[in-house]
Amino acid sequence: NAGVTQTPKFRILKIGQSMTLQCTQDMNHNYMYWYRQDPGMGLKLIYYSVGAGITDKGEVPNGYNVSRSTTEDFPLRLELAAPSQTSVYFCASSYGTGGAGYTFGSGTRLTVV
Amino acid sequence: GDSVTQMEGPVTLSEEAFLTINCTYTATGYPSLFWYVQYPGEGLQLLLKATKADDKGSNKGFEATYRKETTSFHLEKGSVQVSDSAVYFCALSSSGSEKLVFGKGTKLTVNP
Repeated sequence: NAGVTQTPKFRILKIGQSMTLQCTQDMNHNYMYWYRQDPGMGLKLIYYSVGAGITDKGEVPNGYNVSRSTTEDFPLRLELAAPSQTSVYFCASSYGTGGAGYTFGSGTRLTVV
Repeated sequence: GDSVTQMEGPVTLSEEAFLTINCTYTATGYPSLFWYVQYPGEGLQLLLKATKADDKGSNKGFEATYRKETTSFHLEKGSVQVSDSAVYFCALSSSGSEKLVFGKGTKLTVNP
């Protein structure tokens, strides 16, 4: 019972490099989310998806892109990494709205130098 | 817009002490309320939730009651353990919304 799986767990990028953070869930959840967690700042929503082929911006989408070609996968793309994108990134999924709650992955710690 | 305010941390307690972490919210309508816990190096896990006024969520000795009159959802535990050391997040989801809004988190350290 894997739940939400994120890869990689750690990554160091140089300024201007690109990378994709992978997220896969095996619970057949329609809703998926990407958050970033900065120290003392809680979680900020980057992008979310309510189903395959549908994505929407959250609070802090600049510098990121997403796609949702299948129910299971929701990758997050950083095109031109900047030091401000140093953070811990969490993917989450949910089966519904309102009181459903989320299942989180274990996170990707990204450092941009 | 919707928002969640948690008490500032960090909170340091001795084992078997009583814990309260305050959480208040601003939302339209009748949101669902959640507490999540994040152990060191891990993702967030749902600790408990309440979906309507006066509901009490409980899990692992933790409790929180949905108080609409005071727009609060305070987390309590009667006797904390070292293993409860973690960061605790209060969150809400408005009715029909697919998004959770999180507080900033409160770091709890329990010393033996």
